[in-house]
Amino acid sequence: GNSVTQMEGPVTLSEEAFLTINCTYTATGYPSLFWYVQYPGEGLQLLLKATKADDKGSNKGFEATYRKETTSFHLEKGSVQVSDSAVYFCAQDTGRRALTFGSGTRLQVQP
Amino acid sequence: NAGVTQTPKFRVLKTGQSMTLLCAQDMNHEYMYWYRQDPGMGLRLIHYSVGEGTTAKGEVPDGYNVSRLKKQNFLLGLESAAPSQTSVYFCASSRDRVTDTQYFGPGTRLTVL
Repeated sequence: GNSVTQMEGPVTLSEEAFLTINCTYTATGYPSLFWYVQYPGEGLQLLLKATKADDKGSNKGFEATYRKETTSFHLEKGSVQVSDSAVYFCAQDTGRRALTFGSGTRLQVQP
Repeated sequence: NAGVTQTPKFRVLKTGQSMTLLCAQDMNHEYMYWYRQDPGMGLRLIHYSVGEGTTAKGEVPDGYNVSRLKKQNFLLGLESAAPSQTSVYFCASSRDRVTDTQYFGPGTRLTVL
């Protein structure tokens, strides 16, 4: 079935470090892919998305490229800030009116 | 414009008790969802609705029921709570397709003793 696999956390970085959070998916066809972010004590909010192969989603300095050949959608940011500390979820649409979420990766950025 | 709101924010139940969680959205969205979030497991879909008067089962529907009598409201019911239902529950809505942005409520933390 459809599934999303994320790297386990927590990921601990110093401010201004480069961030990569890996995400791979299994699905038939070409699902839309998403990154959602959950700040402490809040619900999830959409960070970026891509709807077809080779698309690059970007927002707030974060980027992710839809790689069909490697079934991946890795999240990157060139210089993280303390305010980026949160839990990041990769997700795909299942083609059945629902999203499948990964287990989440906690990012901790230290000053 | 409040977005998605959830009531209550916290609740403690005893095994066997029942309760209803209320989700309301003011964005005129067609689709609404109930998820549960457990440590290390991400979000799992309980039930969803693609319009007023319609509901469908998600990944983990057992022990829950839902209703969507009004477009703006989506209710999640627990008829006989069990400790395994201790979780954080999130409601979300999207305009009219699953690939549209989902807007999440702040969550309800439920503990079943």
